[in-house]
Formats: sequence, C-alpha cells, structure tokens
Amino acid sequence: DGGITQSPKYLFRKEGQNVTLSCEQNLNHDAMYWYRQDPGQGLRLIYYSQIVNDFQKGDIAEGYSVSREKKESFPLTVTSAQKNPTAFYLCASSSALGGKTQYFGPGTRLLVL
Amino acid sequence: AQKVTQAQTEISVVEKEDVTLDCVYETRDTTYYLFWYKQPPSGELVFLIRRNSFDEQNEISGRYSWNFQKSTSSFNFTITASQVVDSAVYFCALSRNSGGGADGLTFGKGTHLIIQP
Repeated sequence: DGGITQSPKYLFRKEGQNVTLSCEQNLNHDAMYWYRQDPGQGLRLIYYSQIVNDFQKGDIAEGYSVSREKKESFPLTVTSAQKNPTAFYLCASSSALGGKTQYFGPGTRLLVL
Repeated sequence: AQKVTQAQTEISVVEKEDVTLDCVYETRDTTYYLFWYKQPPSGELVFLIRRNSFDEQNEISGRYSWNFQKSTSSFNFTITASQVVDSAVYFCALSRNSGGGADGLTFGKGTHLIIQP
C-alpha cells in the first residue's frame, strides 16, 4: 500500500541529546514537509524540501535539522538547541502534480525525560 | 503575512444535528489554495478537500459541504446530520506564498468537534 510512515510512534529524549525522527514515503512525491503540533494549536512548519538534496526553513526551524538524500526519505533531527521539543511531529508529502495537496503520516510524539 | 482563523475552539452538538465550522483567512496572494483536514484521536491528518482561489463553487460530498466566499475571505465547512464518527479536530489551511502549497501550509488552530450520541 502507498503511504507515509513515521517512526517511532513515541520517542523520549534526555537533556542535551539529539534525536532523529524518521519519515518515509512510497507515493513518489517530490515534496516533503515537517510540522510541529503543540496541544490546542495548529500545525507549524519546521522544514520543507521540494526536491532531493534541497530543503528550506519554515517558520520554526531553530533547533532542528533535516536532510534529503533520497526522494523517499526526509528525516528530522531535534537537536539539543531545541529547548522545548515536547510536541507531536507530523511529516507530509505532496506531488508536484495534482495541486500539491499534502498527505500526512501518523506522527511521532516526542517527550523529554 | 498570512493568517487562518478558526474562531470556534470547540463545538458540541447532539448526533443528527447540522454543524458549521468557520474558517476565515488572510493573504495577499491572488492565487492560493484552501484546505480542510480532519484529525481523529489517532492524530493523523486526513485530507478532506482542496479549493483554489478561482473556483468559488460550493462543493458537496455526501454529508459534507463547503462554502467558499472570496468576498468575505471565508471557507466554511458544514456537516449535515452529524454522526459520532465525525468527532475530531478539524483544521483549515492556506497555501503559503504562490507556491500552491509546495512550500508548506499555514494552519488555523483547529476546531474540536464533539458529537454526542
């Protein structure tokens, strides 16, 4: 089945630790995105990538890093510089065709120990 | 700057009632896209509809309907004869810049819809 997978479902981070969230898609989509959702809030854009080996900062990129070495994969690293990382992280992808509707993965919930 | 406002934080209705979720947006783009997504308790966002700024026709899909009015910058969502399975958080979103959403979406804060049996 085609879709977007995110792992792990839950992730715990210790103080000063970097953690990486995985996002994979087999929809053959060119563009991929990372959003952060805090309780009672809408989604905010962290990073996006429209093509392999290229990515752009969104509204809240500080403390995060990404890579896009393969079309299918867009991992997000939450660095120790991100002082308030506890949130629900959602990955999405879209095709360059079809009006660029974004389809979302199931999300990863990050908690700080 | 772009903005999406969903003024209704939470709505609670009894099953079979009709309910309308409001969405008001701000953009300086002449071409843009609007979206509605549903977020059930599992957390994954489910795409419901996409509408471009040139198409002001209302749309109906089963019990769902959408009313897009450019003059008032609104894109409201109505559920007719609501069911318990409609309980979720609903988000309205706007494409950023003129990229049609390829450079991300701006989301409202969502409306938590509770359908009571």
